[in-house]
Amino acid sequence: GAVVSQHPSRVICKSGTSVKIECRSLDFQATTMFWYRQFPKKSLMLMATSNEGSKATYEQGVEKDKFLINHASLTLSTLTVTSAHPEDSSFYICSAKKLGVPQETQYFGPGTRLLVL
Amino acid sequence: TQLLEQSPQFLSIQEGENLTVYCNSSSVFSSLQWYRQEPGEGPVLLVTVVTGGEVKKLKRLTFQFGDARKDSSLHITAAQPGDTGLYLCAGASGTYKYIFGTGTRLKVLA
Repeated sequence: GAVVSQHPSRVICKSGTSVKIECRSLDFQATTMFWYRQFPKKSLMLMATSNEGSKATYEQGVEKDKFLINHASLTLSTLTVTSAHPEDSSFYICSAKKLGVPQETQYFGPGTRLLVL
Repeated sequence: TQLLEQSPQFLSIQEGENLTVYCNSSSVFSSLQWYRQEPGEGPVLLVTVVTGGEVKKLKRLTFQFGDARKDSSLHITAAQPGDTGLYLCAGASGTYKYIFGTGTRLKVLA
């Protein structure tokens, strides 16, 4: 199998605080993970590509100092939303590419719903 | 910036009807995927197409990749309420970084 988990599944925080979201590949190694953001009833927007052991590559318009990404191991990438504000409220989804399978294959996590009050 | 436009945006049909969802771009993709997403969950991969003109079938679902690899379609035959969900196409060009389409929300009424 290829299971990707995210923690927490839901988080509510106060404006100005930072929130860390974890993305784990449970039964495989992932050199590359992707972070997406999804607004209600909208499509997924790619935020950044996270590569193990190197700096993340951010998409145009995504603030790297606002959304800190760390990919410290082959099974874990974290997204930290710093100084969160209500407009950061969204559904955040990660995906992971599995070593040894066709390059185009990515496995998605169940998502994390963030609500900033 | 690569854009993937899906049409229609919303579709509400009766059980048993057929439907087609389109995914169009002006960009060429090395591969294209279709996903279905349920509310509050991550997307689930339905199919990957990589060759221009390729047709793949998954039970009642038929996927086609355009000859020029710029567009794709998803046809559902005899839709069922279980087909309800958000359908997303996603295209990649060389770097295996996928850009998602605008989405089509399907509702099949019993």
